[in-house]
Amino acid sequence: DAGVTQSPTHLIKTRGQQVTLRCSPISGHKSVSWYQQVLGQGPQFIFQYYEKEERGRGNFPDRFSARQFPNYSSELNVNALLLGDSALYLCASSLGLAGGNTGELFFGEGSRLTVL
Amino acid sequence: GEDVEQSLFLSVREGDSSVINCTYTDSSSTYLYWYKQEPGAGLQLLTYIFSNMDMKQDQRLTVLLNKKDKHLSLRIADTQTGDSAIYFCAEDHNTDKLIFGTGTRLQVFP
Repeated sequence: DAGVTQSPTHLIKTRGQQVTLRCSPISGHKSVSWYQQVLGQGPQFIFQYYEKEERGRGNFPDRFSARQFPNYSSELNVNALLLGDSALYLCASSLGLAGGNTGELFFGEGSRLTVL
Repeated sequence: GEDVEQSLFLSVREGDSSVINCTYTDSSSTYLYWYKQEPGAGLQLLTYIFSNMDMKQDQRLTVLLNKKDKHLSLRIADTQTGDSAIYFCAEDHNTDKLIFGTGTRLQVFP
């Protein structure tokens, strides 16, 4: 089975542009979470989606938005890019919400965004 | 606040044991995790421990949890050069939202 897949793997944008990042969860996983990892730091939680609904949001501005599709894949959108948005964006999938959480959150390889 | 703290660097000789430490802040966390990140790669879940446990062993990995002091450690026995990576501890808040530490860079030299 394929793991969590993300695209694109690398991309370069300029300030003010918009970007869309894509994620396909592991087959059978209904929950997708997005994390931002700035160089030299640990990942920071951005969003969680479960059954196509937003279930959690981190401390990120409204320029960041996401959605989940009926096939449980997800997109992360960032508008009006700033230099500080340069980071590795990680997608993670799990079977369901906590309560059934067994600690198994599986991460993709990430999309590395550079904003010039 | 939501701060998970780790020391930044650890250097060990191949064959020795490595101990990576982590201090977390939320006593209500249900699970505590250790992830490994190799250069240019995503996060690999190494192991996790349920908050009502003191210790968990999984092959070369031993996790110790001191809930009173909110201290978590990961011991890697017989450390190999392939263990060189950044190690992150993380806590949950009974959700899938994980709070990660800043990471400990482990360097293994021959």
